[in-house]
Amino acid sequence: DQQVKQNSPSLSVQEGRISILNCDYTNSMFDYFLWYKKYPAEGPTFLISISSIKDKNEDGRFTVFLNKSAKHLSLHIVPSQPGDSAVYFCAARTNRDDKIIFGKGTRLHILP
Amino acid sequence: NAGVTQTPKFQVLKTGQSMTLQCAQDMNHNSMYWYRQDPGMGLRLIYYSASEGTTDKGEVPNGYNVSRLNKREFSLRLESAAPSQTSVYFCASSLSGRIYNEQFFGPGTRLTVL
Repeated sequence: DQQVKQNSPSLSVQEGRISILNCDYTNSMFDYFLWYKKYPAEGPTFLISISSIKDKNEDGRFTVFLNKSAKHLSLHIVPSQPGDSAVYFCAARTNRDDKIIFGKGTRLHILP
Repeated sequence: NAGVTQTPKFQVLKTGQSMTLQCAQDMNHNSMYWYRQDPGMGLRLIYYSASEGTTDKGEVPNGYNVSRLNKREFSLRLESAAPSQTSVYFCASSLSGRIYNEQFFGPGTRLTVL
């Protein structure tokens, strides 16, 4: 049973436009959400996070939105740049332990 | 600061062979984790250690054992490797506790079992 779902395996966006990556979750005990970015042959790196008590968190070009009633979060990248081409993982954590549950990832291609 | 380091980077094993993947972190983190990444499957937790001396199973622990040697080091052992264990293995660490914080990942070990 997948608790964190990224239903789009890949996404292509024109350079300079907005990239929107979506994530859905099923576990209402999740209280902290994270986005990781991964380049080929490297480990994932933390990008941005949001606590369940907030509905938006912004860091430069990256903004994460959380809709708790819909159990949905999204990552917005504006403007998209070539270096943003990577796999993006959505992840979530409960307040019970330190385990993080990852989605399957979305591969983002930024087109020139 | 080296962050999280993993050895080896690549390994090829024959079915039935054993090996240990090493992981070390120099960030004084309490929690450490082992994940595997397979195509189309994302990152799946194998084992984790919330603190020195403790280990717990994750989502896919079968066929693996772990040792939290000290606060810095967390090793993953395959006693009898199987082709299904062909994967990329990532070690991670975090401060842990009730603090909202992220995990830091190593560069990965690419393992092929023939």
